[in-house]
Amino acid sequence: EIVLTQSPGTLSLSPGERASLSCRASQSVSSNYLAWYQQKLGQAPRLLIHGASSRATGIPDRFSGSGSGTDFTLTISRLEPEDFAVYFCQQYEGSPQTFGQGTKLEIK
Amino acid sequence: EVQLLESGGGLVQPGGSLRLSCAASGFTFSNYAMSWVRQVPGKGLEWVSSITGSGTNTYFADSVKGRFTISRDNSKNTLYLQMNGLRAEDTAVYYCARKPYSSGSYHFDYWGQGTLVTVSS
Repeated sequence: EIVLTQSPGTLSLSPGERASLSCRASQSVSSNYLAWYQQKLGQAPRLLIHGASSRATGIPDRFSGSGSGTDFTLTISRLEPEDFAVYFCQQYEGSPQTFGQGTKLEIK
Repeated sequence: EVQLLESGGGLVQPGGSLRLSCAASGFTFSNYAMSWVRQVPGKGLEWVSSITGSGTNTYFADSVKGRFTISRDNSKNTLYLQMNGLRAEDTAVYYCARKPYSSGSYHFDYWGQGTLVTVSS
């Protein structure tokens, strides 16, 4: 099973700042089968990024994904108030598909 | 507009059974693989089970294998999860989620709002 470790656990930033969230895999996700989701309190997860770097439909271009192999990053270029939420990464190459434990992005 | 609406959650005793449903609309249901993903409130996400668009192939996490069954009725645009032998550790919000294709390894592009299953005596 591929274990995904996200860091930091909590990230405290202000609107307008840049956020970088890390997702590290225990073994290579060689086909870049890596996705990022945003989850707000009481809501279902929402797909942001798939294939490590492809934005989902309707996702603003301030969200970008990068990385390959075992190290992946979600970057939010300029934080908007609605971006403060929990973010999960997911790998869907190996079976079972697995999720990271999440990074909480909170307002500083 | 793609919509997924789960139902069937509730309180059940350990060892009991429950069937979850997910009613889909806004897309051609049979063209898409579907999955169940669960989340203990305040915790992370765990993939539970998937089924191909035709319903021919099913997949399960080791934690539920032999206890849960996934199925779909493409004529009713509905996904099901039959849960038997429930344990306290199955307590979670269960989400229905769509994959963007009928089979294969893909992300989840749409999610329902979830239904809470509580296993307790």
